[in-house]
Amino acid sequence: AQTVTQSQPEMSVQEAETVTLSCTYDTSESDYYLFWYKQPPSRQMILVIRQEAYKQQNATENRFSVNFQKAAKSFSLKISDSQLGDAAMYFCAYRINSGYALNFGKGTSLLVTP
Amino acid sequence: EAGVVQSPRYKIIEKKQPVAFWCNPISGHNTLYWYRQNLGQGPELLIRYENEEAVDDSQLPKDRFSAERLKGVDSTLKIQPAELGDSAVYLCASSFGHTNTGELFFGEGSRLTVL
Repeated sequence: AQTVTQSQPEMSVQEAETVTLSCTYDTSESDYYLFWYKQPPSRQMILVIRQEAYKQQNATENRFSVNFQKAAKSFSLKISDSQLGDAAMYFCAYRINSGYALNFGKGTSLLVTP
Repeated sequence: EAGVVQSPRYKIIEKKQPVAFWCNPISGHNTLYWYRQNLGQGPELLIRYENEEAVDDSQLPKDRFSAERLKGVDSTLKIQPAELGDSAVYLCASSFGHTNTGELFFGEGSRLTVL
């Protein structure tokens, strides 16, 4: 079974600073997808960024970027120039290429302070 | 474009009572998922539909949970009878077929409290 581990239950960052959220996963598959989802309080979960395992280049989306280390099975999320609106739960998720269900980690609660 | 719609947003019931949740996916999305999210945890898949067929229901507690997606569009998840441990947020998500992006679109969830 594939597992996703987020070792940081909570993280805090000051506005305009940079923060990195950690994620590791366990799989025997060679082809898969990795995702970071954001879940604001009492609001729906939305996709932040995705990474295809076959791509060596790290994905970036504006202020969000990932550090994908396939051999180490590590997939961290870097948020640059943090904003108050970034405060939320962040979930790392994994999906094998041939399947559809996402496997989620337990999440990291990000607090952004002024 | 309307997103995934779920109702009710909140439900409080006493144990042993039945409860039902409804989900309307994004138009054109043939794959629908029900996830359960316990407090402080990540979502866990309960069941996945492709059109009207349940293709993955291995994590659905079939003794008390049931789901249906009769016309391959909206779906209902039912719990009967509810237990204290069923208190959670029930998330519905949808996606379009064999998309390599793999992005799931989520509803706002239905928060169930069992007293």
